[in-house]
Amino acid sequence: QQPVQSPQAVILREGEDAVINCSSSKALYSVHWYRQKHGEAPVFLMILLKGGEQKGHDKISASFNEKKQQSSLYLTASQLSYSGTYFCQAPSGNTPLVFGKGTRLSVIA
Amino acid sequence: EAGVTQFPSHSVIEKGQTVTLRCDPISGHDNLYWYRRVMGKEIKFLLHFVKESKQDESGMPNNRFLAERTGGTYSTLKVQPAELEDSGVYFCASSRRGQEGYTFGSGTRLTVV
Repeated sequence: QQPVQSPQAVILREGEDAVINCSSSKALYSVHWYRQKHGEAPVFLMILLKGGEQKGHDKISASFNEKKQQSSLYLTASQLSYSGTYFCQAPSGNTPLVFGKGTRLSVIA
Repeated sequence: EAGVTQFPSHSVIEKGQTVTLRCDPISGHDNLYWYRRVMGKEIKFLLHFVKESKQDESGMPNNRFLAERTGGTYSTLKVQPAELEDSGVYFCASSRRGQEGYTFGSGTRLTVV
């Protein structure tokens, strides 16, 4: 079962904040977040394993709710370099990890 | 450490021809994954190797696709015969253990004409 991401796309001005959500109808074992810039490979951002977990680095952080059915990625004081497509990825049944459909983030000056 | 290496970076072939993609994972990474992104669509899982064994190949589209990982090192993905809908970017990723972040290669952009 593919995790559901929202929004599909968002446009920000530099310095603005954004939240990207990833949800599932069933509890997830883990959630991975990746960012992919156009023409490049997805780059791993972070993994969340525990319900209620929060982690982050720089101005990008993520949370995993207690029921482990929703994860949110927080981008604060966005920079031009944050532009790209953000994917959440989670195990589905016996399949190791499947990607959500992605959220296209565009940061403009 | 060297990253995940894929080649070729681009391949253009005619419908009906055969193409082989190669992936060299990070040394010591037992887990190797193949994914595909078709233009404008999501990244789809193809299959997962643990060392030389196919752990999960539920995402392979059909029997025109054959993946191998002889010796548990590099992997190849062969498409034979290629069809137009096989066009897309094929990504390989590896990880040391199952539940940790994957390192992706730069992908092979396959265009079938």
